[in-house]
Amino acid sequence: GENVEQHPSTLSVQEGDSAVIKCTYSDSASNYFPWYKQELGKRPQLIIDIRSNVGEKKDQRIAVTLNKTAKHFSLHITETQPEDSAVYFCAGGGADGLTFGKGTHLIIQP
Amino acid sequence: DAGVTQSPTHLIKTRGQQVTLRCSPKSGHDTVSWYQQALGQGPQFIFQYYEEEERQRGNFPDRFSGHQFPNYSSELNVNALLLGDSALYLCASRPYGRNTEAFFGQGTRLTVV
Repeated sequence: GENVEQHPSTLSVQEGDSAVIKCTYSDSASNYFPWYKQELGKRPQLIIDIRSNVGEKKDQRIAVTLNKTAKHFSLHITETQPEDSAVYFCAGGGADGLTFGKGTHLIIQP
Repeated sequence: DAGVTQSPTHLIKTRGQQVTLRCSPKSGHDTVSWYQQALGQGPQFIFQYYEEEERQRGNFPDRFSGHQFPNYSSELNVNALLLGDSALYLCASRPYGRNTEAFFGQGTRLTVV
C-alpha cells in the first residue's frame, strides 16, 4: 500500500516569511495529492490539491509542487499570517482512498 | 447542504465494550471512508464503503467493522474496546471513482477508560 512521509513535524516561522512542508510517497500509482489544514478541535479541510498530470498549482498565497520522478510534493505558503497557524496534512492516493502523512504543526511567530 | 455529519460528537466507553459511530455523507456522495486520528497524528485509513460493501481496508484488526446503508450513510463498529482505541474517528465522503476532495465530518471523540 501507499506510504506517505511528511516533514518537518513542527515548523516555526516569522509572520510574513514563507513556509515549506515536504512529503514523499511510495506508490507510483498514486495520482491525487491533497493538502488539508486542521485547526485545533476542528475537522481537516482541503486547502489545495494537485493531480499527477500537473507539476505545480497555485492559489493566492498557497502553492503545491509535484515531482513524480522523485515521488515528492511540497506545500508552499508565502507571506504567512497568524491565521495560518494550524496542523497541515499531506495525503497521497487516488479514487480508492487516501493515505495521510503524520502532519506538520505550523507556528507563526508575531 | 449540511456536509458530512457524524454522531455522537463525544463518547466514553469502558474497556471490553462495543461502540457504534454514525456518519451521513455529503449530498451527492456515495463513498464513505473512516479514519482513526490519534492525538498528534495524521488520520489513519480504516476502510472505505461503496454500494454497501467494504471496498478497501487499512491495517486495522477485525474488531473494526462497518456497514453502509442504501441511503449511503455508514456505521463504524468497534468490538472489545482497548484503551488504545481512544481517538478521534473521522468520516469522509467522496463521489465514487473520482479523484476529488474528501470532505470530512467533525469527528467523534472516543475515550476508552
